Amino acid sequence: GQNIDQPTEMTATEGAIVQINCTYQTSGFNGLFWYQQHAGEAPTFLSYNVLDGLEEKGRFSSFLSRSKGYSYLLLKELQMKDSASYLCAVKDSNYQLIWGAGTKLIIKP
Amino acid sequence: SAVISQKPSRDICQRGTSLTIQCQVDSQVTMMFWYRQQPGQSLTLIATANQGSEATYESGFVIDKFPISRPNLTFSTLTVSNMSPEDSSIYLCSVEAGFVTEAFFGQGTRLTVV
Repeated sequence: GQNIDQPTEMTATEGAIVQINCTYQTSGFNGLFWYQQHAGEAPTFLSYNVLDGLEEKGRFSSFLSRSKGYSYLLLKELQMKDSASYLCAVKDSNYQLIWGAGTKLIIKP
Repeated sequence: SAVISQKPSRDICQRGTSLTIQCQVDSQVTMMFWYRQQPGQSLTLIATANQGSEATYESGFVIDKFPISRPNLTFSTLTVSNMSPEDSSIYLCSVEAGFVTEAFFGQGTRLTVV
């Protein structure tokens, strides 16, 4: 079966750094996506990794290791508005998105 | 990018009735998807709706329960038929411009069946 694992919930402090991990087992791999979803809203795209390594985009970075089936999303200089769920998703061999359950990130002042 | 207008944003419906959800995209896209999301849970794909072909349903979802229309490249509807409280969920439409591009989502429809 296909599976994506990420922590259910994480708590961090405003101004700090947090790393959200994602491990996956899918039939094929055609890229890994991270989305942000605020409560009651639709997911919005954050990052895309298809090759190993780090992709940096402002305060957010995403890392991929295909051999380990592993990715992480790194959020720096946390702000209260970063409180949201972060969804990891992988495109399988059929280019279908397989979604993780999401990690709820709580930011404390 | 794509901007998707999804309606209604929320509704409370009586069991046994049907609700049709509409999604309008501001550009022509081939691939459109319908998802369901229970609170605190992952997105579950209901079906893929590509223009010019019948919708493809995932395991556990059938056309009689979730009929889909895709009359053109900018519009689609999902109907939730003969609703029961178990259908209470958030329904999302999504589009992708290509096989390895990001997905864009409508605002979601929060459905409560009483």
